[in-house]
Amino acid sequence: DIQMTQSPSSLSASVGDRVTITCRASQSISSSLNWYQQKPGKAPKVLIYAASRLQSGVPSRFSGSGSGTDFTLTISSLQPEDFATYFCQQSYSTPMYTFGQGTKLEIK
Amino acid sequence: QVQLQESGPGLVKPSETLSLTCTVSGGSVSSGSYYWSWIRQPPGKGLEWIGYIYYSGTTNYNPSLKSRVTISVDTSKNQFSLKLSSVTAADTAVYYCARVGGGYPYFFDYWGQGTLVTVSS
Repeated sequence: DIQMTQSPSSLSASVGDRVTITCRASQSISSSLNWYQQKPGKAPKVLIYAASRLQSGVPSRFSGSGSGTDFTLTISSLQPEDFATYFCQQSYSTPMYTFGQGTKLEIK
Repeated sequence: QVQLQESGPGLVKPSETLSLTCTVSGGSVSSGSYYWSWIRQPPGKGLEWIGYIYYSGTTNYNPSLKSRVTISVDTSKNQFSLKLSSVTAADTAVYYCARVGGGYPYFFDYWGQGTLVTVSS
């Protein structure tokens, strides 16, 4: 099985900060990496798919990069509504989809 | 706008079978372009993909749950369902139904709101 490891597990930041979250795969997954945002009590929402493609309707301050085993999600200027938990998900070994453990982004 | 809605009991006894249904509106489970999935999240923890079904009835399951999981589809009602047998407290989780594209890049684009299922006597 492909394991996905996110870092950090939690992060404190301020409005306006630039934030980067990392996701590492246990083996190469090409660009088959998606990012989700989850707010408390809500379902996850896709932000980025195929490592770097912005889902329709998602603000352009979100961006993704990487390929192979190392990927990053960057928020260029944090907004109050961005404080949430973020998950990565690999789709390389379809139909076995696996998620990272999550990164909780909190207000400093 | 596609919408998914989970329904089913919120409390299941240990060793019994958990049964949930996902009703799809604004789209069709008979679409050949998507797979229809179940995903769960134990309280305060991460996401685990359970399995998916295609409109034809083709299924794929997470190997860790395969022996206990059955996913079925009812195209006439535009619904798909999950059965998880021999449940234990470890199966307590929020269960989500979601849609995933039938081709690359395979991401979950629409989700239900989730339903908490507690396993307890």
